[in-house]
Amino acid sequence: AQSVAQPEDQVNVAEGNPLTVKCTYSVSGNPYLFWYVQYPNRGLQFLLKYITGDNLVKGSYGFEAEFNKSQTSFHLKKPSALVSDSALYFCAVRDELSNDYKLSFGAGTTVTVRA
Amino acid sequence: GAVVSQHPSWVICKSGTSVKIECRSLDFQATTMFWYRQFPKQSLMLMATSNEGSKATYEQGVEKDKFLINHASLTLSTLTVTSAHPEDSSFYICSATLAGSPLHFGNGTRLTVT
Repeated sequence: AQSVAQPEDQVNVAEGNPLTVKCTYSVSGNPYLFWYVQYPNRGLQFLLKYITGDNLVKGSYGFEAEFNKSQTSFHLKKPSALVSDSALYFCAVRDELSNDYKLSFGAGTTVTVRA
Repeated sequence: GAVVSQHPSWVICKSGTSVKIECRSLDFQATTMFWYRQFPKQSLMLMATSNEGSKATYEQGVEKDKFLINHASLTLSTLTVTSAHPEDSSFYICSATLAGSPLHFGNGTRLTVT
């Protein structure tokens, strides 16, 4: 079984401040982890992924995420947030033991960056 | 990068009519496509998994006769909402993958049934 949790429905930060969006996961094997961003009335845009290798993953638009196996977490971070980062963010996981390519998505976190 | 095109982006139809939504992978061949439904400010609910040349696999609780999925080629999958009713109004999103690569999503279709 695979699942992911995003404990915060909303995150509010001021422009220029660090942004963190939290995600924890549960899988039977090793996880493949993903972050996506969604703007209003649009599909999801891929930000970054962790499959194997370095625990710190760098992605699009200055975002990065750190894989922490002991804490089963994959938090998304950006050192200096922009107003344009305001959107809905989804964490997703797939168990390496899965053979159907299905992702399990978190409930989403709405990020609001105020000017 | 990989591009998935979804059409139409929005559609309004009358109750009882059918609506077809297309999902195309423009620059890669998608072995698998997924169809999701999303309610306002909620996560994506997987409706079905579509593999080229075979019948779609529906998630529990999704009516396969209501939501017809066809995946006739490696670049095209269609979702037809048959005899649509107001409760079918939602945001429908497709995604495509080639052998487990990160899912690439279409821009979604806003369906409103009046």
